[in-house]
Amino acid sequence: GDSVTQMEGPVTLSEEAFLTINCTYTATGYPSLFWYVQYPGEGLQLLLKATKADDKGSNKGFEATYRKETTSFHLEKGSVQVSDSAVYFCALIIQGAQKLVFGQGTRLTINP
Amino acid sequence: NAGVTQTPKFRVLKTGQSMTLLCAQDMNHEYMYWYRQDPGMGLRLIHYSVGEGTTAKGEVPDGYNVSRLKKQNFLLGLESAAPSQTSVYFCASSPTQRYGYTFGSGTRLTVV
Repeated sequence: GDSVTQMEGPVTLSEEAFLTINCTYTATGYPSLFWYVQYPGEGLQLLLKATKADDKGSNKGFEATYRKETTSFHLEKGSVQVSDSAVYFCALIIQGAQKLVFGQGTRLTINP
Repeated sequence: NAGVTQTPKFRVLKTGQSMTLLCAQDMNHEYMYWYRQDPGMGLRLIHYSVGEGTTAKGEVPDGYNVSRLKKQNFLLGLESAAPSQTSVYFCASSPTQRYGYTFGSGTRLTVV
């Protein structure tokens, strides 16, 4: 079946460090890919998305590129801030499917 | 602000009591979803709906019922609450499958 695997957390970085959160997927069809962010005490918010191979989603300094050859959608940011501390979820949906498949989430903590 | 509104935000129930969680969206979305989020368990889909008058089971439907009598509302019912249903419940909606979800801010339910 369809699935998403994220790097295990928690991830702890210092402010201004480079961030990578790995996400790989297994899909029976042709997926759209998403990253969601959940700040403490809040619901999930869509951070970025990509709908076809080689597309790059970007938002708030975060980027992720849809790599069909490696079935990956890694999240990156060049210089993280304390305010980026949150849980990040990678997700996919297959064309014709009715619901998203989520990864387990990666907790990110940024220290000043 | 347009979006997904969940009520109540917090609730404490005694074992065996019943309650209904309300999710309302004002974006005219077709698809609506109920998830639960437990520590270390990520998001698990309880029930979902692909349009007014429709409902379908997700991964963990036991002990819950839902109704979608109006397009904008999706109700989650607990007929006889159990301590295992202590969780944070999130509602989400989407205009199409591949668009991505808009989440509510959650309902924190404790069953004692």
